[in-house]
Amino acid sequence: TQTVSQSDAHVTVFEGDSVELRCNYSYGGSIYLSWYIQHHGRGLQFLLKYYSGNPVVQGVNGFEAEFSKSDSSFHLRKASVHWSDSAVYFCAASITGGNNKLTFGQGTVLSVIP
Amino acid sequence: SVLLYQKPNRDICQSGTSLKIQCVADSQVVSMFWYQQFQEQSLMLMATANEGSEATYESGFTKDKFPISRPNLTFSTLTVNNARPGDSSIYFCSSSGTGLYEQYFGPGTRLTVL
Repeated sequence: TQTVSQSDAHVTVFEGDSVELRCNYSYGGSIYLSWYIQHHGRGLQFLLKYYSGNPVVQGVNGFEAEFSKSDSSFHLRKASVHWSDSAVYFCAASITGGNNKLTFGQGTVLSVIP
Repeated sequence: SVLLYQKPNRDICQSGTSLKIQCVADSQVVSMFWYQQFQEQSLMLMATANEGSEATYESGFTKDKFPISRPNLTFSTLTVNNARPGDSSIYFCSSSGTGLYEQYFGPGTRLTVL
């Protein structure tokens, strides 16, 4: 069984700052990792995913994430945040042959101060 | 990507009643998923629904309590039977469309059980 852990419940930054949201996973086999964003009162929107190849993947709105097998991590980054990036961010994992089922982390609330 | 619509957006019901939540996709999809999200928490996968077969439920969710139908490739309904205040949460449907290991979510149905 795979597990996903987001160690930071809340992150607060100023507009224009860079930010990194942390995600660690636990699973012994091939795993797909992804990030989703949930604005207040809305559904989840897919940001980016990783399965293989270049460990740095680009997503929408300037987000990128880097996979590290040695650290079992898939941290999300953005170089310069905007107030509209304020939302809850979920890291998720799916195992190969797992019928596309997602296991989510606890979520990180990102607050961007204008 | 896939666009998913849910109806109703929100509902308030009395304890002991049943209610249905509908999910419609704008294109044919193989699998639909149902998630439950309590306030300020992560999403829990309830079940996976494929056309023409019984839904597969995750631990903690049962067919008797949350029957799911999947009559065709664009539609699914989730029923909450004998609703209790503890069922008050947001219910999301999702689907992976043609993209592997990325999912698209409906806007959610916020249920309040009195």
